[in-house]
Amino acid sequence: GAGVSQSPSNKVTEKGKDVELRCDPISGHTALYWYRQRLGQGLEFLIYFQGNSAPDKSGLPSDRFSAERTGESVSTLTIQRTQQEDSAVYLCASSLEGWAPAQYFGPGTRLTVL
Amino acid sequence: AQTVTQSQPEMSVQEAETVTLSCTYDTSESDYYLFWYKQPPSRQMILVIRQEAYKQQNATENRFSVNFQKAAKSFSLKISDSQLGDAAMYFCAYRLNSGGSNYKLTFGKGTLLTVNP
Repeated sequence: GAGVSQSPSNKVTEKGKDVELRCDPISGHTALYWYRQRLGQGLEFLIYFQGNSAPDKSGLPSDRFSAERTGESVSTLTIQRTQQEDSAVYLCASSLEGWAPAQYFGPGTRLTVL
Repeated sequence: AQTVTQSQPEMSVQEAETVTLSCTYDTSESDYYLFWYKQPPSRQMILVIRQEAYKQQNATENRFSVNFQKAAKSFSLKISDSQLGDAAMYFCAYRLNSGGSNYKLTFGKGTLLTVNP
């Protein structure tokens, strides 16, 4: 079946603008994750959704970051009033359940804030 | 807090040769998973191999194998018969298997592997 998809692939925006990044998980996967990858760094956990449970937002770096997920489908990550330090690749992953060991990643969205 | 350290920012290997990538981690837990992910220029993170901490036997997947030393908290990846398609950034990652936040992956900073023809 289809893997995790993300859009847009690349996004260039001006400082202070809002951006929305989209993630389509693998069909049937109840768990969804967002990670951030800064240049030359590993991935940092941002947020986790599991079914209809309250999400774990503990990794969101500031209140400018928010994410939503409707049921077990698409998720959007919104960054308000973007700053240059927000420039990074944002990766989404999904897994069958939160306890499932394997997380499957999408190709990411490269965000550049000018 | 758990940390994952990859001490080799870059490695290179000749095609058909063997290369070993190093990873160490710090945790006070006993039940966890360790992973190696590959990230080619396409950015897609691909799971290469997984090791459950309770298993003494080292995991293998075709040309990829690990050397898991639980007491030393070491988890190295060996790539045998290296191919040009193995060139990528490799990330070591850790995840709890039980308890709160057992879904979070903690990543190292990665090792860039170059394969020379």
